[in-house]
Amino acid sequence: GNSVTQMEGPVTLSEEAFLTINCTYTATGYPSLFWYVQYPGEGLQLLLKATKADDKGSNKGFEATYRKETTSFHLEKGSVQVSDSAVYFCALSNNAGNMLTFGGGTRLMVKP
Amino acid sequence: ETGVTQSPTHLIKTRGQQVTLRCSSQSGHNTVSWYQQALGQGPQFIFQYYREEENGRGNFPPRFSGLQFPNYSSELNVNALELDDSALYLCASSRGTEIYKTEAFFGQGTRLTVV
Repeated sequence: GNSVTQMEGPVTLSEEAFLTINCTYTATGYPSLFWYVQYPGEGLQLLLKATKADDKGSNKGFEATYRKETTSFHLEKGSVQVSDSAVYFCALSNNAGNMLTFGGGTRLMVKP
Repeated sequence: ETGVTQSPTHLIKTRGQQVTLRCSSQSGHNTVSWYQQALGQGPQFIFQYYREEENGRGNFPPRFSGLQFPNYSSELNVNALELDDSALYLCASSRGTEIYKTEAFFGQGTRLTVV
């Protein structure tokens, strides 16, 4: 079955540091890949997505590239802010597109 | 345009009881999906409803059931509650069933505690 593995947190960074959160997946077929973010006290929000190999998703300074050869979708940001502190989830959709499989989440804490 | 709203926000039930959780989808959305998020874990897909019919189900037993109403709102029912059912239950609505073509908007969830 499909599965997503992401690096365990928490990840603690200073403001303006470079961020990488690793995500790898196992899936049959050609899944779409997603990053969701959960800010404290809020629901999950879509951060970015990529629907085919070599696509790059980007939003709010975050980006991730769909790498089929390494089955990865690592999240990066060049300069994090305190407001980026949240839990980040990597996810994929099945071939029918109706189901998301999530990783376990990575908590990011950014200190001023 | 209102977002996805879930009720109640918190709930405590006793093992063996039954519970109903409710979700109002975002305006214009015809599809609702339910997820279970245990503490410290990622959400797990329970099922999806489209046009009042179940459209896909995850690895959950039949005591987890759902409904979707003509106004696209939805209910999640869990019978014979077990301690392991304690979790945050998330509802997501979307305009269509294929999440990669559209976007799923999540509610803030219902925190269920089974004692």
